[in-house]
Amino acid sequence: GEDVEQSLFLSVREGDSSVINCTYTDSSSTYLYWYKQEPGAGLQLLTYIFSNMDMKQDQRLTVLLNKKDKHLSLRIADTQTGDSAIYFCAEQAAGNKLTFGGGTRVLVKP
Amino acid sequence: DTGVSQDPRHKITKRGQNVTFRCDPISEHNRLYWYRQTLGQGPEFLTYFQNEAQLEKSRLLSDRFSAERPKGSFSTLEIQRTEQGDSAMYLCASSASVGEKLFFGSGTQLSVL
Repeated sequence: GEDVEQSLFLSVREGDSSVINCTYTDSSSTYLYWYKQEPGAGLQLLTYIFSNMDMKQDQRLTVLLNKKDKHLSLRIADTQTGDSAIYFCAEQAAGNKLTFGGGTRVLVKP
Repeated sequence: DTGVSQDPRHKITKRGQNVTFRCDPISEHNRLYWYRQTLGQGPEFLTYFQNEAQLEKSRLLSDRFSAERPKGSFSTLEIQRTEQGDSAMYLCASSASVGEKLFFGSGTQLSVL
C-alpha cells in the first residue's frame, strides 16, 4: 500500500535555507507534491514534480526527486518568517488520489 | 479563477445530530475529492467523484457518511448521527481530469460536542 513519511519538525533561522525531506513507497506515483498549510487554513499547492524529473526549481523553491530511493525533498532558499507553516508532501498514484505524509512543522526564527 | 469553495467554514454540533457540508469545485473540473484531516495529521482520503459518479470510497467512510455530486458540479458530504470522533477538518479538492493537479478548498472545521 501507499505510505508517505516525513520528519515532524524543522527549526531554521531567517535567511537560511530549509530542507524538508519525504519518503514514499508507491513506485507507480505519477506526480509528487508539496503543500503548505498555515494555522486554520486549507492546503496551498506550493509546487509539484512529475515522476520522470529529477529536479524542479520555482523561484525560492527547489524540489529534488530520487526515484530509485523514493526520496523527495523541498528546499526553501532565504527562508522568511512567513514560511513558518506545516508542509505536506503527497504522492499521486495511478488512481489519481493523493496520499499525504504527516506533515513537517517548520518554525522560522528571526 | 474562484478556486474551490467550501461551506460552512466552521460547524459546531451536538453528538447524534446530522450535518451536511457543501463543496463547489473549480469550474469545469470533473474530478472532486473529499479528505478528512485530524489535528496533527496529514489529510486522509475519503472518496472521489468523476463527474456525478462516485468511483472510490475509503474504508474510513463508514455507513454514517454519504457523499453526492448529483449534477457533476457541487458536492455534499453528510454525516449522520455524529460522534465526537468525527471532529476534524473536512477538505474538498478538485482536478481538471485524471493525472491533473489537485486544488484544495479552505475546508470545513467540524466540532462535535
